[in-house]
Amino acid sequence: DTGVSQNPRHKITKRGQNVTFRCDPISEHNRLYWYRQTLGQGPEFLTYFQNEAQLEKSRLLSDRFSAERPKGSFSTLEIQRTEQGDSAMYLCASSLVASDDTQYFGPGTRLTVL
Amino acid sequence: AQSVTQLGSHVSVSEGALVLLRCNYSSSVPPYLFWYVQYPNQGLQLLLKYTSAATLVKGINGFEAEFKKSETSFHLTKPSAHMSDAAEYFCAVSDRRGKLIFGQGTELSVKP
Repeated sequence: DTGVSQNPRHKITKRGQNVTFRCDPISEHNRLYWYRQTLGQGPEFLTYFQNEAQLEKSRLLSDRFSAERPKGSFSTLEIQRTEQGDSAMYLCASSLVASDDTQYFGPGTRLTVL
Repeated sequence: AQSVTQLGSHVSVSEGALVLLRCNYSSSVPPYLFWYVQYPNQGLQLLLKYTSAATLVKGINGFEAEFKKSETSFHLTKPSAHMSDAAEYFCAVSDRRGKLIFGQGTELSVKP
């Protein structure tokens, strides 16, 4: 069990650019979640997958955001035409739905939009 | 709908003193409750969880929490604070359909 990994750990981009983050969950976990955390706040839910299916999306996930989990393993989160308000820590978590659904978090990707 | 309120955005204790971090929840279904800890520039680490078994839950690093349905509370305690406990602590409730709803967090400072 190597834990949840996220890449890159840090990303600095200019406003208007597109960025993509990757999350690799714990290997046997069938659920994968994305959260966003701004400074001084708790994480806010963005979306989650069970296997390949995206089951829920938050209103926070505007049309500029898209997430995929094509083979039910790793996931990507893409932000198009980034805005300064997108600057945040993006956290990924995974869980095994057959158990008590405890979510285990990765180290996060910190995005800074200049 | 579920929600979490953490009372006190910042708590300061002396090393060796009792740690008490407060969490109240609102849930339309029997809740699953969690405490996570976050160190600077890191992800969240699970401290402990309540999933409808024993109401007193023991976690890692000497922390424990008690589920009190009548008070809708799930406060986190540790008898004796250590310098390494300084971090941000988050209480969360699960909607049982997948997502976690987090409180605003409480920053714990430990004075020598």
